[in-house]
Amino acid sequence: DGGITQSPKYLFRKEGQNVTLSCEQNLNHDAMYWYRQDPGQGLRLIYYSQIVNDFQKGDIAEGYSVSREKKESFPLTVTSAQKNPTAFYLCASKVDRGPGELFFGEGSRLTVL
Amino acid sequence: DAKTTQPPSMDCAEGRAANLPCNHSTISGNEYVYWYRQIHSQGPQYIIHGLKNNETNEMASLIITEDRKSSTLILPHATLRDTAVYYCIALGTGGYNKLIFGAGTRLAVHP
Repeated sequence: DGGITQSPKYLFRKEGQNVTLSCEQNLNHDAMYWYRQDPGQGLRLIYYSQIVNDFQKGDIAEGYSVSREKKESFPLTVTSAQKNPTAFYLCASKVDRGPGELFFGEGSRLTVL
Repeated sequence: DAKTTQPPSMDCAEGRAANLPCNHSTISGNEYVYWYRQIHSQGPQYIIHGLKNNETNEMASLIITEDRKSSTLILPHATLRDTAVYYCIALGTGGYNKLIFGAGTRLAVHP
């Protein structure tokens, strides 16, 4: 079945370590997104990519990095520069033309110890 | 993109219609209204979207006022599984790549 797969579902990290969250989609979508969600709050955009080898910063990009080497993949690295990385991270994708729905993965919950 | 305003929480009895309002008084002519919902600790799920006309699908109905300044999402027969946070978003044709989610409405469906 087509969809978006995020891994790992749960991740623990020590302070000062970088960690990479995986996001893979087999929907042939052009656009992909990373959101962060803190308890009881809405989603905030970290990075998005409209096409391979191109990506743009969202509202809270500091301390994060991404790459888009393949259409299917949009990994997110949470670096040690991110001051408060403990959060729920959501990846999404969309056909990059016209109105339509955003497809979300099931999320990755990162806890910094 | 237009800012949307939703009540923070609502209750609904199981089997009754749930009517979730959204105010988007600054919406412009080319901005669509989208609705998503998020069940606890899962990724958001698309429900429906519309521009001017009312829309209906297997999940819900979307009623947009004639002046487009507000809309209502209707779940015709709410079930316990509809308990979730519902997000209303207004997004223009040039902004599809930056869907922004606010705090939404927390709908509690009770027996």
